[in-house]
Amino acid sequence: RKEVEQDPGPFNVPEGATVAFNCTYSNSASQSFFWYRQDCRKEPKLLMSVYSSGNEDGRFTAQLNRASQYISLLIRDSKLSDSATYLCVVKRGTYNFNKFYFGSGTKLNVKP
Amino acid sequence: NAGVMQNPRHLVRRRGQEARLRCSPMKGHSHVYWYRQLPEEGLKFMVYLQKENIIDESGMPKERFSAEFPKEGPSILRIQQVVRGDSAAYFCASSPTGQGNTGELFFGEGSRLTVL
Repeated sequence: RKEVEQDPGPFNVPEGATVAFNCTYSNSASQSFFWYRQDCRKEPKLLMSVYSSGNEDGRFTAQLNRASQYISLLIRDSKLSDSATYLCVVKRGTYNFNKFYFGSGTKLNVKP
Repeated sequence: NAGVMQNPRHLVRRRGQEARLRCSPMKGHSHVYWYRQLPEEGLKFMVYLQKENIIDESGMPKERFSAEFPKEGPSILRIQQVVRGDSAAYFCASSPTGQGNTGELFFGEGSRLTVL
């Protein structure tokens, strides 16, 4: 079983739509959770960390359910510039050792 | 504070040649990760290094691939006797440790290898 699983999509949505991505992880010892964004032919960049209490950054809301080992990302009022691949990432490790596990990504296409 | 620097950005090799990709982590970061991304596919972990030490090389192909992160200088990913299937984008990332450890990975812009 993969460490991190995501629906590859693509999700094709019109501008202004709300879209949600889900991600599951297999190891309950995972400690930290992130969503990264990768534009075509570019490097991944951190979008936001994900906390158990849920967190919001503008139009983006991330949720973590440790019991179900499930992470979500909600994008409200989609913009054309949101078109990208969204990577779910989990981390395990210690103070001086970090191992990151990447999902294969969910592709989002926002259409005019 | 410069980000993660990778070079070359683009590299073309003929089958059988060697490819060397270099990565300088962000200042103060002592952990380096290498990932490979084939066209239209996700990131695949290759190797995790600290200075002078390979922490995890579970993602490295058994043959032709090697990586190092010397005490001085950049981390190097070396691919010997390249084949067409090695054509990919190779991303390097670094992270801080200890007190500065936010858990975030910082990526370089990648090195794109094309094997003719």
